[in-house]
Amino acid sequence: QSALTQPASVSGSPGQSITISCTGTSSDIGDYNFVSWYQQYPGKAPKLMIFDVSNRPSGVSSRFSGSKSGNTASLTISGLQAEDEADYYCSSYVNSISPLWVFGGGTRLTVL
Amino acid sequence: EVQLEESGGGLVQPGGSLRLSCTVSGFIFSDYSVNWVRQAPGKGLEWISYISSTSRTVYYADSVKGRFTISRDNAKNLVHLQMNSLRADDTAVYYCAREDCNSVSCSIDFWGQGTRVTVSS
Repeated sequence: QSALTQPASVSGSPGQSITISCTGTSSDIGDYNFVSWYQQYPGKAPKLMIFDVSNRPSGVSSRFSGSKSGNTASLTISGLQAEDEADYYCSSYVNSISPLWVFGGGTRLTVL
Repeated sequence: EVQLEESGGGLVQPGGSLRLSCTVSGFIFSDYSVNWVRQAPGKGLEWISYISSTSRTVYYADSVKGRFTISRDNAKNLVHLQMNSLRADDTAVYYCAREDCNSVSCSIDFWGQGTRVTVSS
């Protein structure tokens, strides 16, 4: 099972919106609505930002939103802020027992 | 507050063994499954193992199957990852993470801070 495919980097200016794509297969993203997005700062643990494609955990800013179409999921961050500069990973439950979860390779977001 | 804390990482020679532990607090441990996820230096996240709430079901990534063993002690709020026959490509930060799943919702929602494992001679 290959990792989900994400762009290596994206960038945007403060106040702008950006979208990060995450492409999988019919065995993962295409088969389940169990897609999550994580934010990770250097040297820190991942933090859940979106679960079940488009739901935000308590405490996560409404500037973060998620969607899915077919085998591709997307994370959109609106009103970019300097603190959003981090690595973002998508993840999906998989229709197999190995792996059970698959992750994207990560996208580095730079706020210009 | 949900908390997970890993321990047991360190430097080990190729072919050696390490036992990682994950201590949890802030939730009813016996109600949740747990996963181990690792991150090699400068790389992305890789799922490596899962254990159900009752220990009845365990899964492993092909990359660690036959070398790693996951276990848990619900009485002590502990999860362990026994790692044998370690190789250089096992070098990574290892995270334990809670899984919150039911028939309509599923995610890995809380992560520990990670413990670093370095396999080198």
